[in-house]
Amino acid sequence: LAKTTQPISMDSYEGQEVNITCSHNNIATNDYITWYQQFPSQGPRFIIQGYKTKVTNEVASLFIPADRKSSTLSLPRVSLSDTAVYYCLVDLYNQGGKLIFGQGTELSVKP
Amino acid sequence: DARVTQTPRHKVTEMGQEVTMRCQPILGHNTVFWYRQTMMQGLELLAYFRNRAPLDDSGMPKDRFSAEMPDATLATLKIQPSEPRDSAVYFCASGLLAPANTGELFFGEGSRLTVL
Repeated sequence: LAKTTQPISMDSYEGQEVNITCSHNNIATNDYITWYQQFPSQGPRFIIQGYKTKVTNEVASLFIPADRKSSTLSLPRVSLSDTAVYYCLVDLYNQGGKLIFGQGTELSVKP
Repeated sequence: DARVTQTPRHKVTEMGQEVTMRCQPILGHNTVFWYRQTMMQGLELLAYFRNRAPLDDSGMPKDRFSAEMPDATLATLKIQPSEPRDSAVYFCASGLLAPANTGELFFGEGSRLTVL
């Protein structure tokens, strides 16, 4: 399974765009890149998933370069409620694999 | 609004006691995961099932933990005997593995276990 590396923590202010980059140098051809968000005392929640290039939904955008060795989760105009831990995963889940969570990035949004 | 339901939400027990946590996955989902979360270790995968069959339980201490899916609407995680180091939040998650599916997992609210 591909190992992911993300910053342990990040700080931001309300209204700013936040970009969290994840490295996955050993990503396999069939791996997808998935991001989850976890608030205190809650289970993780799916944010976005992609395979290559760019994916956008109502919550975030995911940028994946051509070599797929990294990915960047972009949160536009964050608010205090975006304070959470963000996990990057690469996995074969769509093909029957298992989801392994890394350490995640603790995002703190300040007023 | 479909969701994964876990019981109990909180459990305090004494060392040596048996603990059973239950999970009701979302109806129609064919994959169930059990995770454990602690401050030190983060989210650890304990076991997962597909179509009720166990696929991987290598993350579980085999001598004291067991996970089963007696039917499609119930997954159980049992600890016997429990130890203080088992204190953690245990999450159950379910998903639908199907062609063209995003592979999104839906997590329950967790069972917070404290072993004294």
